[in-house]
Amino acid sequence: AQRVTQPEKLLSVFKGAPVELKCNYSYSGSPELFWYVQYSRQRLQLLLRHISRESIKGFTADLNKGETSFHLKKPFAQEEDSAMYYCALTSNYGGSQGNLIFGKGTKLSVKP
Amino acid sequence: GAVVSQHPSRVICKSGTSVKIECRSLDFQATTMFWYRQFPKQSLMLMATSNEGSKATYEQGVEKDKFLINHASLTLSTLTVTSAHPEDSSFYICSASPRGTGFSPLHFGNGTRLTVT
Repeated sequence: AQRVTQPEKLLSVFKGAPVELKCNYSYSGSPELFWYVQYSRQRLQLLLRHISRESIKGFTADLNKGETSFHLKKPFAQEEDSAMYYCALTSNYGGSQGNLIFGKGTKLSVKP
Repeated sequence: GAVVSQHPSRVICKSGTSVKIECRSLDFQATTMFWYRQFPKQSLMLMATSNEGSKATYEQGVEKDKFLINHASLTLSTLTVTSAHPEDSSFYICSASPRGTGFSPLHFGNGTRLTVT
């Protein structure tokens, strides 16, 4: 079955510390992976996708097919990074994102 | 940037009544919109795919007669929860992406908190 697992409900770090939000997935084919973020009082928005291999707001995520993981990392956390982060996958590689499967989300709290 | 407006943000209704939630793409056209539901401490779950001018596609386990979806134009999709019951209380979110070729990120509404008493 297709599934996205985010094992941590809450991750609390101090400003300047490295951050890693874990995401593991279960899918038999070639999924496309995403990280979505929701800042306080704002709507859910795309942070990055594994295909683009880009770094957004200092965050990176590498797809590890062997470990079926797509962990989100940032070397130095900032207070403004505090938000809810959702890992998601779609089976429709490169196409419509509608059939996204989301993890339960991890709340990142960056303390001053 | 592309904006999706969802209305209302909160609604409280009595058991047995129906509630309509609107999802509008404000500055782009969307042939397809998506409806999600999120129960407390659970992940967002896709309920259905709303297709402009045709019937919606429902995910397994979602009652199409209970959750009526209408996508009458390229900028508006509505979700009507019919004969609502307390177990329908949840957070409902819509999303859409501009139509066209190539990748385009999904844009989400702010969600609707439905409470059925």
